[in-house]
Amino acid sequence: DAEITQSPRHKITETGRQVTLACHQTWNHNNMFWYRQDLGHGLRLIHYSYGVQDTNKGEVSDGYSVSRSNTEDLPLTLESAASSQTSVYFCASSDSGPWDTQYFGPGTRLTVL
Amino acid sequence: QKEVEQNSGPLSVPEGAIASLNCTYSDRGSQSFFWYRQYSGKSPELIMSIYSNGDKEDGRFTAQLNKASQYVSLLIRDSQPSDSATYLCAVISNNYGQNFVFGPGTRLSVLP
Repeated sequence: DAEITQSPRHKITETGRQVTLACHQTWNHNNMFWYRQDLGHGLRLIHYSYGVQDTNKGEVSDGYSVSRSNTEDLPLTLESAASSQTSVYFCASSDSGPWDTQYFGPGTRLTVL
Repeated sequence: QKEVEQNSGPLSVPEGAIASLNCTYSDRGSQSFFWYRQYSGKSPELIMSIYSNGDKEDGRFTAQLNKASQYVSLLIRDSQPSDSATYLCAVISNNYGQNFVFGPGTRLSVLP
């Protein structure tokens, strides 16, 4: 069955370290998204991609970067982790367009000490 | 004003009752609306999408959309304890590059 996976599921890191969260989908969806979820804020869009080599900034992109070298993967990199980036991170994908239903991965809980 | 607003709850209803979840949005040009359910510690999963004014029914769930009032709701009939979760309203907003904007979610508790 097609699916979307994230790794690691849990990560503890220290302030200032570079961290990469992986997202892999087997639906062959063109569109992929990264969100963070914090109490009181709901899900907020970090970065998104509409296809290979395409990346765009979302609402809360500062301190994060993504690259899209193939259809299946959209890794999220925290260049220099900060305590404010402690959160749960969800990757999602959709088929036809950004208006289409988004399917979410299981999430990564990141703690920055 | 936030882009998408929901009552945070918790909303408590007895088993078998109708649960009514509400959502308002600020972008008058929004055309696509979604309800997601999220169990504690899990990822959001789609319940329904709605694009036209009026009601859309799917089993025990009914989504209602009123674009003039910028209001979308989700009714859950014959609520079950398994419906206890956080319900997220999402709107495709022109103000955010035609991307999903999520409300903060309403926590529903269905009491046996």
